[in-house]
Amino acid sequence: EDKVVQSPLSLVVHEGDTVTLNCSYEVTNFRSLLWYKQEKKAPTFLFMLTSSGIEKKSGRLSSILDKKELFSILNITATQTGDSAVYLCAQHQNRDDKIIFGKGTRLHILP
Amino acid sequence: GAGVSQSPSNKVTEKGKDVELRCDPISGHTALYWYRQSLGQGLEFLIYFQGNSAPDKSGLPSDRFSAERTGGSVSTLTIQRTQQEDSAVYLCASSLVQGVSAGYTFGSGTRLTVV
Repeated sequence: EDKVVQSPLSLVVHEGDTVTLNCSYEVTNFRSLLWYKQEKKAPTFLFMLTSSGIEKKSGRLSSILDKKELFSILNITATQTGDSAVYLCAQHQNRDDKIIFGKGTRLHILP
Repeated sequence: GAGVSQSPSNKVTEKGKDVELRCDPISGHTALYWYRQSLGQGLEFLIYFQGNSAPDKSGLPSDRFSAERTGGSVSTLTIQRTQQEDSAVYLCASSLVQGVSAGYTFGSGTRLTVV
């Protein structure tokens, strides 16, 4: 059973739209929740979330964590074609220091 | 170097042959991870090295897979008697301090194709 579940698995929208990507995780052994963007082979870091209800923002991207309901969302406003990528969510575990990734959401932005 | 370096970037091998994949972490980074990403899948944890501690090998899919980290720096992932299902991108990541999740830097990966 997957520990980190992302939805949707794929998403196609038009440039300018706003998208919300979802990630649910297990409560066991939680240290932090991470978001990465993967365009080619190497994922690049977006956000690290540890506290519930505190939004992190970077330009048009923002993310928030809900530790009661065990999920996080990644929002992208005014999407651009350059936002097309796979967005990976990961749980950093406390006890064994592993980072467990979800399967990712493949986002495609149409011009 | 400035980033995590992996080699080769692409490897095509015949079924049954052994392959070695190399990862050069950022200098001074004590934590090193190997992940595997099959087509359309997320990142699958393989093995984790932290300093001089015994590595966490719990993600290795079979005994055909092994990894070493010499001198606390360069790591080699070896796959013996490769199978077609081993075809994937193998990613390495390193971090300066254990537990600093934002500090993990990924290499560009090795795309392994077993024919």
